[in-house]
Amino acid sequence: GESVGLHLPTLSVQEGDNSIINCAYSNSASDYFIWYKQESGKGPQFIIDIRSNMDKRQGQRVTVLLNKTVKHLSLQIAATQPGDSAVYFCAENSFGNEKLTFGTGTRLTIIP
Amino acid sequence: GAVVSQHPSWVICKSGTSVKIECRSLDFQATTMFWYRQFPKQSLMLMATSNEGSKATYEQGVEKDKFLINHASLTLSTLTVTSAHPEDSSFYICSARGDNEKLFFGSGTQLSVL
Repeated sequence: GESVGLHLPTLSVQEGDNSIINCAYSNSASDYFIWYKQESGKGPQFIIDIRSNMDKRQGQRVTVLLNKTVKHLSLQIAATQPGDSAVYFCAENSFGNEKLTFGTGTRLTIIP
Repeated sequence: GAVVSQHPSWVICKSGTSVKIECRSLDFQATTMFWYRQFPKQSLMLMATSNEGSKATYEQGVEKDKFLINHASLTLSTLTVTSAHPEDSSFYICSARGDNEKLFFGSGTQLSVL
């Protein structure tokens, strides 16, 4: 079936460096993508989203890149801080489908 | 942004008892809410879609008689785990879609069944 997956399950980054978390999706009909941050024992927190008519979107210290040709999504976090340590999930859905499909998650650890 | 409140945040119960989890959209109305289950170190798995005023739609493999969902108003959905067993121990999360179509999540409920 369709799936959304991540390349790396864990990622350790030195504080202050930039981090990149990757996500691959398989549903060619996907047209809306979201990145969530989940801290231990909490629900997912919306970070940034992007629609399929865009290649790049920037937020505060975060950038999402979408490559529809290879069905790849990435989240870039600039100047990482200890508070960025969490599990990051990508999620997607397609027009007319209200359900989100979540990727497997990447645990990001910021090393002080 | 929109706030989704989930209660309780954690619950411990004996095997065979039932547990009710509430999910409220505090500053917006949600005709649709979603219930997820998350096991340790795993992703969120959709259990069911809760529709206000109608029956919930369950995902394949989720027992509707075990996980009762009631969406009685535009701001409240409840999930009742009936006759809970240790294998039902998990982190349960609800979400609701706001007017801007973004999905907002509750803080989750950690259920431990002894």
